[in-house]
Formats: sequence, C-alpha cells, structure tokens
Amino acid sequence: SQTIHQWPATLVQPVGSPLSLECTVEGTSNPNLYWYRQAAGRGLQLLFYSVGIGQISSEVPQNLSASRPQDRQFILSSKKLLLSDSGFYLCAWSFRESSYEQYFGPGTRLTVT
Amino acid sequence: GENVGLHLPTLSVQEGDNSIINCAYSNSASDYFIWYKQESGKGPQFIIDIRSNMDKRQGQRVTVLLNKTVKHLSLQIAATQPGDSAVYFCAEPSYSGAGSYQLTFGKGTKLSVIP
Repeated sequence: SQTIHQWPATLVQPVGSPLSLECTVEGTSNPNLYWYRQAAGRGLQLLFYSVGIGQISSEVPQNLSASRPQDRQFILSSKKLLLSDSGFYLCAWSFRESSYEQYFGPGTRLTVT
Repeated sequence: GENVGLHLPTLSVQEGDNSIINCAYSNSASDYFIWYKQESGKGPQFIIDIRSNMDKRQGQRVTVLLNKTVKHLSLQIAATQPGDSAVYFCAEPSYSGAGSYQLTFGKGTKLSVIP
C-alpha cells in the first residue's frame, strides 16, 4: 500500500527566515505530486504540482518554490518567509493514470511570527 | 476559474440522525466530483466520487447525489456518528496540462455531531 509522509508536523519561523518542507511517498512509482496551502477556516489552494523529476508547475505566483529531486520526494521552499505564508501545507500524490484521485499527507502547520 | 462552493458553512446533527451536506457548482461541463473529509489537524481523506453519467452513488453509510439540472450535489451520511465530525469538501478536477489534474475545492462545511 502507498503512504505519504510530511515533516515537520509543526513549524514556527520568524519573518525573513528560510523554509524547507519535505514530502515523500512510499509504495508507488512515478506519482504526480502536489503542494496545497490551507488558510485557517478556508479551502485548499493548489500551489505547485509535478509530473516527474525536475518538472514543476506553479499555480500561484508567490514567495514559495518547489523542487522534486527524486521520483518520490517533493520539497517546498522559501528564501524569506512572510507573515502571509502562515497556514497548513498539504502534500498530495496521485497515480499518473488517474490524477484526479489525490491522496493527502498529514500536513505541516506553519506559523510565521 | 469555475466555482465550486457550498451552501452551508456549519451543520450540527444529533448522533444517529442522517446528515446532508450540499455543494453547488457552476461549470455545466463538469463530469466528475469528489467528496473529501478533513478532521481537525489532518489532511483531507477521500470519501467518495461520482461521475456525471450517474445520479447517485453509494458507499458505506454515505451516498452522493448529483443533480445536473440545477448543478448541485449532496453528500448524505446515514446514522451520523461522533467520528463523522469533520469539515467536508466537495472538489472538482480540471485538467491542468502535462498529464495532471488540478482539484478545485469548495469552501467546506463543518459537521458537528452532538452525542
């Protein structure tokens, strides 16, 4: 069976500091990978998706970037965090053949102070 | 983009009663919908999906109804249990290119089950 991991689970960072969130998937190969952000009491907003190593598509221009150095590893980064970057960050994966069925990780709660 | 939204932001239900969560969509060409459940502090969990060639689909204690005429779908939970307390989202996939779909989520309905 497939599992998805995210870390850290929670993070408190000062404004202007860098960010690195990691997501890994086990039990499948060549997945599509996604980063979403969820503001408090709101729905999910797609930030980035990737259909393969080194292939990143950005949905929302902002202070964040994503990278996929390995097939099952997806990283969300920032060089300088803003207060507005606070939120719940969710990584998701899907099979390449049925990418509308997405499975989410446990999430990272980021608070920028 | 097209809007997928929810009628009610909160819903309180007595344990054992049935729950109905509603969702409206605006794109009449939409052909697939998904319901997710998100418990506090956790990622969304896939519950059930439905294609536009169906009016109804049943799972374990859950039923999704699709009314294409009024562009409305609902999630019905039978015999609601405390463990059903969560935020429920409807989502609509749209093709975003490069062999990938993007999910557009509604705002969510918070279901609270009263013991």
